[in-house]
Amino acid sequence: GEDVEQSLFLSVREGDSSVINCTYTDSSSTYLYWYKQEPGAGLQLLTYIFSNMDMKQDQRLTVLLNKKDKHLSLRIADTQTGDSAIYFCAEQDYGQNFVFGPGTRLSVLP
Amino acid sequence: EAGVVQSPRYKIIEKKQPVAFWCNPISGHNTLYWYRQNLGQGPELLIRYENEEAVDDSQLPKDRFSAERLKGVDSTLKIQPAELGDSAVYLCASRFPGDGTEAFFGQGTRLTVV
Repeated sequence: GEDVEQSLFLSVREGDSSVINCTYTDSSSTYLYWYKQEPGAGLQLLTYIFSNMDMKQDQRLTVLLNKKDKHLSLRIADTQTGDSAIYFCAEQDYGQNFVFGPGTRLSVLP
Repeated sequence: EAGVVQSPRYKIIEKKQPVAFWCNPISGHNTLYWYRQNLGQGPELLIRYENEEAVDDSQLPKDRFSAERLKGVDSTLKIQPAELGDSAVYLCASRFPGDGTEAFFGQGTRLTVV
């Protein structure tokens, strides 16, 4: 079946850029997503990218997609303490289900 | 507009007892998902509905789990009997059908089985 992998932890200083990486296995994925989860809350969509794109920028967020290597990354510029959360990479499979990675816990140090 | 509403937020039950979770999706969202999120892991699909039809329940443990979505709106997820390993957060999500549309998640129900 489909599999999505992420590193589990990332720690950065406030004001630095954060880069969260993800790899996936389903080459037929049409859309790839980044969700954010804060403590005790549900998942909030941050951004998504269509599989025929290689980059998407939305304010402080930049998504890069390398479809050949099945690698997705999320860059957060000027990281703030409010960005501390768990970030999930997800792919939409052929059945329109979302397959999530294990999540990357981002800690922003003052 | 209200988001996806789930209740209860928290539930503590003894093993072997039944439990039910309720989800009210966003109005007009035909697609509804139930996901289970174990501690420290990403959500895993249990079941997906298109209107009132369960179109993917391949990962639902049918010996103890059941779900329904009467009239294609609200949905309930039931576990009977609950086991210790069922302790997790149960998330409901809804979306308009089609590629690339956003799935909106509820806050989840945190189940603790003791």
